[in-house]
Amino acid sequence: GENVEQHPSTLSVQEGDSAVIKCTYSDSASNYFPWYKQELGKGPQLIIDIRSNVGEKKDQRIAVTLNKTAKHFSLHITETQPEDSAVYFCAASIFRGSTLGRLYFGRGTQLTVWP
Amino acid sequence: DVKVTQSSRYLVKRTGEKVFLECVQDMDHENMFWYRQDPGLGLRLIYFSYDVKMKEKGDIPEGYSVSREKKERFSLILESASTNQTSMYLCASSLSRVGTEAFFGQGTRLTVV
Repeated sequence: GENVEQHPSTLSVQEGDSAVIKCTYSDSASNYFPWYKQELGKGPQLIIDIRSNVGEKKDQRIAVTLNKTAKHFSLHITETQPEDSAVYFCAASIFRGSTLGRLYFGRGTQLTVWP
Repeated sequence: DVKVTQSSRYLVKRTGEKVFLECVQDMDHENMFWYRQDPGLGLRLIYFSYDVKMKEKGDIPEGYSVSREKKERFSLILESASTNQTSMYLCASSLSRVGTEAFFGQGTRLTVV
């Protein structure tokens, strides 16, 4: 099946700086790449996603880039704020057979934004 | 808004007990999933279901079973709870099989003593 690697596992930045989290995937059939944010005591929540026919997507301070050739995608958060502190998960979804709709998650990145 | 509701936030069970974790979604989603979350290991898929009475094994199904008798409800069953099943359990649902957003419940923190 698909294997998603996520780095770094922890990331500390000063408020106002940018944060970048990187993920790689193994199966070229993957075509959907969401990013989830999990705040303390809550379930993960989708913050942005990208499909394989798009190279970049932006939503205010967050953006995701996808390089299909290299099989990697990244989350970029600009002008970080303390409320961005959370665990972030990347995921990939394969469009094939019985695995349709299943998400393969990275291990998560604990982002801490210091005021 | 889509809502995925897990029946308990916290549970404490004894070794050997049969444990039921319930999950209900209110948006007529086809897919439902059960994950467990452990520090440093991310979200690992236990079981998922594409339709009523359908189930597929995920990556770590051993020691677990599931039931989906109605479209909106997906139950995770620990047949005989063990201490290594102490974890955070997350239920999720998504609309269809073609790469769509998954909505998560708030999680159930299960402790097996």
